[in-house]
Amino acid sequence: DAGVTQSPTHLIKTRGQHVTLRCSPISGHKSVSWYQQVLGQGPQFIFQYYEKEERGRGNFPDRFSARQFPNYSSELNVNALLLGDSALYLCASSLNVQETQYFGPGTRLLVL
Amino acid sequence: EDQVTQSPEALRLQEGESSSLNCSYTVSGLRGLFWYRQDPGKGPEFLFTLYSAGEEKEKERLKATLTKKESFLHITAPKPEDSATYLCAVQGTGGFKTIFGAGTRLFVKA
Repeated sequence: DAGVTQSPTHLIKTRGQHVTLRCSPISGHKSVSWYQQVLGQGPQFIFQYYEKEERGRGNFPDRFSARQFPNYSSELNVNALLLGDSALYLCASSLNVQETQYFGPGTRLLVL
Repeated sequence: EDQVTQSPEALRLQEGESSSLNCSYTVSGLRGLFWYRQDPGKGPEFLFTLYSAGEEKEKERLKATLTKKESFLHITAPKPEDSATYLCAVQGTGGFKTIFGAGTRLFVKA
């Protein structure tokens, strides 16, 4: 069975640009969460979606937004990129909002 | 506020030298405590979920235990391929956030 998939794997952007990251959950999973992980730290929660509705939001600025589609895939959008947005962005899927989360390989974003 | 603290930050072991990793947590009602393994540049790989104090789970050379304030990940006779960062996370009953610790970087030398 396919696990969580994310695209692209790597991305280089310049300050001020915007970026869209994509995630496809494990088949049958209805919840998707997004995390930011900077080097040497644990993942930081950004959003959780379930059945296309936002169910949780972490302490991130409004430049960060997300949505979930009818097929349960998800997009994370970041506007007005800053150097500090450089990180590994992880997507995790779960059966519902309070079940074990399974992670994808991540998207490595570098902002220059 | 929910919080997770992992210790030590880094641990160096010889192959076959057993040890334990600690995860201390503060949460307003524990819904679940999770252990993950993460290799450099990759996404975390799920290991265990623990739900209540006294629960234990095992997988190969790893055993996770849970008390009301902390969890331990015991590694028995580790091999070099066990080298990775081990992450602990908690989910409380008060919301949907999953809070991660900073991880313990484990190095196992042959």
